[in-house]
Amino acid sequence: AQSVAQPEDQVNVAEGNPLTVKCTYSVSGNPYLFWYVQYPNRGLQFLLKYITGDNLVKGSYGFEAEFNKSQTSFHLKKPSALVSDSALYFCAVRFPGANNLFFGTGTRLTVIP
Amino acid sequence: DSGVTQTPKHLITATGQRVTLRCSPRSGDLSVYWYQQSLDQGLQFLIQYYNGEERAKGNILERFSAQQFPDLHSELNLSSLELGDSALYFCASSPRASGRAFETQYFGPGTRLLVL
Repeated sequence: AQSVAQPEDQVNVAEGNPLTVKCTYSVSGNPYLFWYVQYPNRGLQFLLKYITGDNLVKGSYGFEAEFNKSQTSFHLKKPSALVSDSALYFCAVRFPGANNLFFGTGTRLTVIP
Repeated sequence: DSGVTQTPKHLITATGQRVTLRCSPRSGDLSVYWYQQSLDQGLQFLIQYYNGEERAKGNILERFSAQQFPDLHSELNLSSLELGDSALYFCASSPRASGRAFETQYFGPGTRLLVL
């Protein structure tokens, strides 16, 4: 079955430390992978996406994500976390043949000053 | 600001009632998607319209319906409301072509519906 998973509900990291928010997927064929961020009382903001090509994708606000086909993962990373990065992060997949996005359950990132 | 607008921002209503949520896509975007975000179900796709026509359906209840008008704005109609319909409803839009899976969907700020 096709699915997307975010194994961690909560990630805490100290300000200035690197952060990683994990995402794994299961799909037949090549997926299109996206990361969105949701701040309190706000909509989802697009961060980055992987379509094809270079496995390392750079996005907004200094975030990047690495597509790993063998591990079926698309982890979101940032070299140095800011307190303002604290938010809810969603991994989303657009499966082959589908028009819509399938979202993971979200990971709440807290950056501790 | 994504360029997608949604009204109203908040809506409080009673069980059994009917409400209409409105979405205006980004300028030039022909596809509109509706999603529901609830605590127990997470973010779920409801329905997609492309240039006025229904293109894809997700987990949308029969009590819910949507349409897209000639000016490309869309409305989501929720009827016979139940307590469990309380959620955040998002609209998203994507650039001109339909069926191009790599296109980014840009989300509006959402409408928070509370059914009492």
